[in-house]
Order: sequence, then C-alpha cells, then structure tokens
Amino acid sequence: QQQVKQSPQSLIVQKGGISIINCAYENTAFDYFPWYQQFPGKGPALLIAIRPDVSEKKEGRSTISFNKSAKQFSLHIMDSQPGDSATYFCAAAANYNQGGKLIFGQGTELSVKP
Amino acid sequence: DAGVTQSPTHLIKTRGQQVTLRCSPISGHKSVSWYQQVLGQGPQFIFQYYEKEERGRGNFPDRFSARQFPNYSSELNVNALLLGDSALYLCASSSLAFGGETQYFGPGTRLLVL
Repeated sequence: QQQVKQSPQSLIVQKGGISIINCAYENTAFDYFPWYQQFPGKGPALLIAIRPDVSEKKEGRSTISFNKSAKQFSLHIMDSQPGDSATYFCAAAANYNQGGKLIFGQGTELSVKP
Repeated sequence: DAGVTQSPTHLIKTRGQQVTLRCSPISGHKSVSWYQQVLGQGPQFIFQYYEKEERGRGNFPDRFSARQFPNYSSELNVNALLLGDSALYLCASSSLAFGGETQYFGPGTRLLVL
C-alpha cells in the first residue's frame, strides 16, 4: 500500500515533443504528490507538486494531471528540450503522522533528442 | 542563500567499517530527512528529524542511526557496513515537521563499500 508505481522506465522524445510520465498509488492517505528531476551526480530537485483537491496544475512547460478516483497522476512536459534529459521521479506523502517521508516511484529516464 | 549541504561528497569504506555522513539544512529549516538511493532506483526514506527528535523511521536495520543537533544540522551513522550499503545518501530539509511541504535535497554523499 505504500508503493508508488511509475512508468515508463525510460522514454525517448524528439525535441519539441510532449513527454508523458505516469504514476499510480494505493494509499488513500497520500495527499501531496511532487515530481522531482534529477541530473546525474546531483540530488533530486522539485519540479512541480500537486494536492488532491485540484485536478491539474501547470508551471511553465510542466503540467501535473491528477485523477483521485483512479489514484493516478501524470507529468506532462510540453515542448521538450534536450536540457530536460534527466531522470524524473514521482513521489507521494501523507500530511501527518507519517514523519514527512516521501515515497518515490522507480524513476523514468527521459532522453530528448535534438 | 545556500541550499542543503552534505559532506563528504564521496566516501570509500570496507565491509565492517563505520561511516558518518553530515548534513546542513537550509537556513531556517528545522526538519531534516535522510534517504538512500541505490543506483537505478528511487530514494528510500531512512529517517526524519524535527527539533532534534526522531519523527519517522523507514525500514532500515538498527545499524543505521541518526541525530540532529541544536543548530538543526544532522548526522547519519551506519555501522558494520555491508556491500549493499553502497548508495547515494541524500539529505533533505523542509520548514515543517510533517509531510506536505517541499523537501529540498542536497547533492548527496556517494558511499562505496568494498
């Protein structure tokens, strides 16, 4: 129940295309869903996050879509650029009595081809 | 402002040895969490500390311990190192005790156990 399942494991997108990464969860106590971007040799950096009281959130070229009934959420990166090539992790957390821990997905390695 | 800092950046140890990793949170952040990231996987929660108290512990053996100091910096200790402890150890800080707020990650300490 504590798992977050992420797909695909790897993704190749042409420059200017849309990158789509999906995540699913089981624990209905989760109420915070961030996406992190990680470059090789670096720590994860927050890209965008959403709470379940909204179905969509957009920041720059990144959009999170959230489907509470299906317990799924996805990241869309519009106009993908070679600089977006990195590993992306979805995560989930419960707001209290959980010690603030993030449960991460397995990661998606995104490669944007010029 | 400085982000989360971790030291050392890299470390090589042999099986059975002990290691101490250090983390300084973002100024003003009172919560520090530790994660282990094995190559090719998402980070796994180890500990969370807030105001010098342990607020959460992941599924790790007792060989792993941590503490937080009055200045909110933190140390992670691992005793009796095993080959499987080789990983990137990440520290994250946040301003609130419990989940739901942004956790900012440091660059990590890369530990190799031979």
